[in-house]
Amino acid sequence: ELKVEQNPLFLSMQEGKNYTIYCNYSTTSDRLYWYRQDPGKSLESLFVLLSNGAVKQEGRLMASLDTKARLSTLHITAAVHDLSATYFCAVDIRGDDKIIFGKGTRLHILP
Amino acid sequence: ETGVTQSPTHLIKTRGQQVTLRCSSQSGHNTVSWYQQALGQGPQFIFQYYREEENGRGNFPPRFSGLQFPNYSSELNVNALELDDSALYLCASSLAEWTALAKNIQYFGAGTRLSVL
Repeated sequence: ELKVEQNPLFLSMQEGKNYTIYCNYSTTSDRLYWYRQDPGKSLESLFVLLSNGAVKQEGRLMASLDTKARLSTLHITAAVHDLSATYFCAVDIRGDDKIIFGKGTRLHILP
Repeated sequence: ETGVTQSPTHLIKTRGQQVTLRCSSQSGHNTVSWYQQALGQGPQFIFQYYREEENGRGNFPPRFSGLQFPNYSSELNVNALELDDSALYLCASSLAEWTALAKNIQYFGAGTRLSVL
């Protein structure tokens, strides 16, 4: 059974600092996704990573994928308060069409 | 804005009742997936429909059922509601065509928040 583990689950950090969220998954997958969710809202797609070594950047967020290690990272550079949210990584099972989510990382950025 | 719409946005039911949640897919998408997100948890896959047929199911009991219509809109039905069914229910649509990039990228609706009392 595919398992997706994120760490940390909670993160409180100061504005201007850098930090990384880690996502490990247990079996071969076609894609890795990063989503953002604000309280009471739906999921906003941030990145889709398709292949080993893939790196994508949008503003202060950068995601990378190492399929051999079954690890993805979401790096936050010079955090700002607006990035406060819960971040989920998710993977899909090769040959299947469902997406398995991690438990999420609740990020709180202090002004 | 993903183009996926869900209704209603909020719903309150009592134990034992039945509920129907609705989802309108993004234009051109032929696949819809439903997820349950309990408070403080990640979304859990319920099932997926592709061209009106169930195309995969997660670990949910049979009282969770669904339909997909010819226009690719979808319903999630839950019978005999239990308190633990209280959650945010998310619908996601995607295009199951065989281009590597486009296949299965899911776009989520805003969700329906169900409270069971």
